[in-house]
Amino acid sequence: SQQGEEDPQALSIQEGENATMNCSYKTSINNLQWYRQNSGRGLVHLILIRSNEREKHSGRLRVTLDTSKKSSSLLITASRAADTASYFCATDAAGNKLTFGGGTRVLVKP
Amino acid sequence: DAMVIQNPRYQVTQFGKPVTLSCSQTLNHNVMYWYQQKSSQAPKLLFHYYDKDFNNEADTPDNFQSRRPNTSFCFLDIRSPGLGDAAMYLCATSRDEDIQYFGAGTRLSVL
Repeated sequence: SQQGEEDPQALSIQEGENATMNCSYKTSINNLQWYRQNSGRGLVHLILIRSNEREKHSGRLRVTLDTSKKSSSLLITASRAADTASYFCATDAAGNKLTFGGGTRVLVKP
Repeated sequence: DAMVIQNPRYQVTQFGKPVTLSCSQTLNHNVMYWYQQKSSQAPKLLFHYYDKDFNNEADTPDNFQSRRPNTSFCFLDIRSPGLGDAAMYLCATSRDEDIQYFGAGTRLSVL
C-alpha cells in the first residue's frame, strides 16, 4: 500500500495564483521529498525536508512538515503555466527507498 | 545534458515475448533503482542495486529481473510480459542515500 496519500488529486488554478497540495503518510520517516513529473516524462526532484525540519523554501516553493500529524504540504506561489505537471510526495523511511504518494495533477491556466 | 538515459523511450512487445529495458548514467552514482508507474498512479519501486548488491522488493513479481554489469548500466528484463505489465518504467540513480535522479522513462506497451 502507498505510504503517502495526496490531496487534492487534481487542482486547476489561474496563472499567478498559489497552489497548495497536501501529503499524508503512515509510518516514521527519515525525510520527505517532493517531485514534479511532466506528462509522459521522468520525475524531477524539487525539495527534501528532513524529519527534524518543519519548513523549507526553494524559490517559489514552500514545504512544511508536521511529523506529529504525519503530513506535509507543498505551496507553489505565483504559479506559471510551466508549473502544470503532476506533483508527488515521497517518503524515505529507511535506506533511501522511496514510497510515493498518488500525486496531485496541477493545471495552471494562462 | 542527460545524466540518466533510458532506452528506448517507447517499447512495444508481444504478450509473453521477453523484453529488456536499459538505463545508463553519467553521474557515477553507486545506487540504481527501477520503478514501475502505471497510468495515473504512483511510481512503485521494483528493486535497486546498491553497488553490486541486488535488493528486490518483496512484492516484485519473479517475472521481473535486473542486471547491472557495471556502474554505468542497469537493465530491466521482463521474462514473459503480460498485459498488466504495460506501464512506464523509470530508472533512477543516487550517490548512497542522497537524492535520486530520474531518467525520462520507457513506456512499455504489451500487445
